Amino acid sequence: KNQVEQSPQSLIILEGKNCTLQCNYTVSPFSNLRWYKQDTGRGPVSLTIMTFSENTKSNGRYTATLDADTKQSSLHITASQLSDSASYICVVSALDSGYALNFGKGTSLLVTP
Amino acid sequence: DTGVSQNPRHKITKRGQNVTFRCDPISEHNRLYWYRQTLGQGPEFLTYFQNEAQLEKSRLLSDRFSAERPKGSFSTLEIQRTEQGDSAMYLCASSLISEFHTAGNTIYFGEGSWLTVV
Repeated sequence: KNQVEQSPQSLIILEGKNCTLQCNYTVSPFSNLRWYKQDTGRGPVSLTIMTFSENTKSNGRYTATLDADTKQSSLHITASQLSDSASYICVVSALDSGYALNFGKGTSLLVTP
Repeated sequence: DTGVSQNPRHKITKRGQNVTFRCDPISEHNRLYWYRQTLGQGPEFLTYFQNEAQLEKSRLLSDRFSAERPKGSFSTLEIQRTEQGDSAMYLCASSLISEFHTAGNTIYFGEGSWLTVV
């Protein structure tokens, strides 16, 4: 069973609208959680990284939240643009396994005009 | 461009042939990772290096796969006797790990090398 679950699997929104993507994880002991944006056919690009002590981090129109107690994270996209259309991947690392990135399957976001 | 560089970006090969992918990490990054990604799935861990040492290999890495990082800089991933199931994007990533700061370091990915086995 995947230790990182993302929802929804896919999402379609109108340009200019906001949206929130969810990530639930069971990885333990927790080290950090990352959100990546991956355009079709391209490598993932880092959006945010949060460690245990951080519960929110912003990168432009992207704001990630982390609740380490409930093991949940969200990525909020404000005022969406057509270029936001991509797959958003949640990645969680464990403290005792620095190399192992546990990837979610991603949420595929489509922003339409 | 000082990002992670992968070559070739695309490779089409006949089943049974050998292929090799190269990854040039960000300069001075001591950790290098290889991942495999198929359509609609997140990347799957294959192996990683700390400098020139290969410290971990996934069970996904069958004996047809071999990775090297001879001088602790660039790395190669070779697939021998390719099979159709090897068709995927092979992602390389690098990061800088220090003994003082291991949590929350940024991991940078390359653009990937697409392999199609026909």
